[in-house]
Amino acid sequence: AQTVTQSQPEMSVQEAETVTLSCTYDTSENNYYLFWYKQPPSRQMILVIRQEAYKQQNATENRFSVNFQKAAKSFSLKISDSQLGDTAMYFCAFMKPYNTDKLIFGTGTRLQVFP
Amino acid sequence: DAGVTQSPTHLIKTRGQQVTLRCSPKSGHDTVSWYQQALGQGPQFIFQYYEEEERQRGNFPDRFSGHQFPNYSSELNVNALLLGDSALYLCASSRPPENYGYTFGSGTRLTVV
Repeated sequence: AQTVTQSQPEMSVQEAETVTLSCTYDTSENNYYLFWYKQPPSRQMILVIRQEAYKQQNATENRFSVNFQKAAKSFSLKISDSQLGDTAMYFCAFMKPYNTDKLIFGTGTRLQVFP
Repeated sequence: DAGVTQSPTHLIKTRGQQVTLRCSPKSGHDTVSWYQQALGQGPQFIFQYYEEEERQRGNFPDRFSGHQFPNYSSELNVNALLLGDSALYLCASSRPPENYGYTFGSGTRLTVV
């Protein structure tokens, strides 16, 4: 069974600085997707970034980028130029597509951005 | 373009009661998944509905059941409520084969007293 581990319960960063959130996972699959979701106080899960395991190039979405290390089963999220609106819970998630399609989430990291 | 709509937003029930939560998927989506998020935890997959049938199920007891209607909306029913059922229940919609394109609702906060 797949598992996702987020070892940082809380992180903080000053506005405009860079922060990295860690995620490791365990799977025997070769084809899968990895995600970072943001959950603000509004409670809605918002997709931040997605990585396909068969792509070696790390995904990037504006200020958000990932460091995907397939052999090490590591998937960290880097937030550059942090903004106050980035304050939220961040969840790492795993999905095996075209079969189960269910998302397996980690326990989350609470990120606080300070002015 | 409406996103995923869930109702009600908050609910308080007594142990032993039954509850029904509702979800309307994003326009164009035909698959609905339900997740339970306990306080301080990540969401846990309950089940997924596609073409009005339960397509797959997570590790939840039979007290948790669901339904999908012809318009793709869905209900989650929980019978014989326990205190441990208190959680945020999230609905997510998608459209195969691109099920990685999940859209989540804002959830229903269920409190069992």
